[in-house]
Amino acid sequence: EDQVTQSPEALRLQEGESSSLNCSYTVSGLRGLFWYRQDPGKGPEFLFTLYSAGEEKEKERLKATLTKKESFLHITAPKPEDSATYLCAVTTGANNLFFGTGTRLTVIP
Amino acid sequence: DAGVTQSPTHLIKTRGQQVTLRCSPKSGHDTVSWYQQALGQGPQFIFQYYEEEERQRGNFPDRFSGHQFPNYSSELNVNALLLGDSALYLCASSPLVERSTDTQYFGPGTRLTVL
Repeated sequence: EDQVTQSPEALRLQEGESSSLNCSYTVSGLRGLFWYRQDPGKGPEFLFTLYSAGEEKEKERLKATLTKKESFLHITAPKPEDSATYLCAVTTGANNLFFGTGTRLTVIP
Repeated sequence: DAGVTQSPTHLIKTRGQQVTLRCSPKSGHDTVSWYQQALGQGPQFIFQYYEEEERQRGNFPDRFSGHQFPNYSSELNVNALLLGDSALYLCASSPLVERSTDTQYFGPGTRLTVL
């Protein structure tokens, strides 16, 4: 059975304190892994797509990496505006996304 | 360039009623997917529409149905509402269903409350 597990469930960081979020997956035939950011009561906002092990992508203070079993979202020197829930999702084909439950990040000034 | 739009923003219904939610995809996109997101959970796939047909369906009962129009917009219908149907309903669009690694872009969602 396909499974996506995100950890930790919640993370509190001081402004400037770098950290990583984890997304581990067990799926048959990964076609792509996606990271989204979601603010309370809003729709997920696309951040990154990763397709193969070893791939890395960066955007401002965020960097996503992918291995054969997991993905990491590294946050460097976070700011309070980075506070949100970060969702990981995978697709094995046909374009439907299978999501984890997310990591709720709070960055304290 | 308008992104994915959804209406209404919020909706309150009572058990047993029926509801229709609407979605307009991002310009240039022809595939629409619907997701249900319960509080504190990740979105769950309901179904996907392409060329006005349901192409794929998640583990949701037949009370959940949909439609896609020639202009690619879509509706989600839920009959015989249950309290457990209370959730944020998300619409996502993408360019082509055959390209399975294409990114899906989400709308702001419709918050449905069933009393």
